[in-house]
Amino acid sequence: DAEITQSPRHKITETGRQVTLACHQTWNHNNMFWYRQDLGHGLRLIHYSYGVQDTNKGEVSDGYSVSRSNTEDLPLTLESAASSQTSVYFCASGRDRAGELFFGEGSRLTVL
Amino acid sequence: GIQVEQSPPDLILQEGANSTLRCNFSDSVNNLQWFHQNPWGQLINLFYIPSGTKQNGRLSATTVATERYSLLYISSSQTTDSGVYFCAVGGIQGAQKLVFGQGTRLTINP
Repeated sequence: DAEITQSPRHKITETGRQVTLACHQTWNHNNMFWYRQDLGHGLRLIHYSYGVQDTNKGEVSDGYSVSRSNTEDLPLTLESAASSQTSVYFCASGRDRAGELFFGEGSRLTVL
Repeated sequence: GIQVEQSPPDLILQEGANSTLRCNFSDSVNNLQWFHQNPWGQLINLFYIPSGTKQNGRLSATTVATERYSLLYISSSQTTDSGVYFCAVGGIQGAQKLVFGQGTRLTINP
């Protein structure tokens, strides 16, 4: 079955370290998204991509970057992790611009 | 940007009861989805419903796009229905850039 997977599912890191969260989907969807979920804020969009070599900033993009070198993967990088980036991160993908979005299981990141 | 408001924020019911969750949004949308976040944190797709009515077992949803609201109905609640229900919408420009509401936390007691 086609699916969307995130790794690692749980990570603890220290302030200032670089962290990369992986997202891989096997649906061949063009569109991929990264969200973060925090108490009191719901889910907020970090970055998104509408295809290979395309990346765009979302609502809360400061301190994060993404790259899209193939259809299946959209890794999220925190160049220098901060305690404010402690959160649960969700990756999502969708086939076309107005269709249904499907989410991965989430990655819980703790920055100490 | 689009604002999404969900009500009520919390709902506690006995098993077997029915419930209605509401989602209001501030602008025209090309995408509206309902999700259930279970106690393990997974986001489960319930409905993709930018307009009209859909039913899936004990759950149904209606979106009245012209009046900018959507309703999620849960009938004969079970304890496994507990969790947080999110409404998320996508505007005319970039319909898959979903904006989420704050969610309704539903607790079903046995």
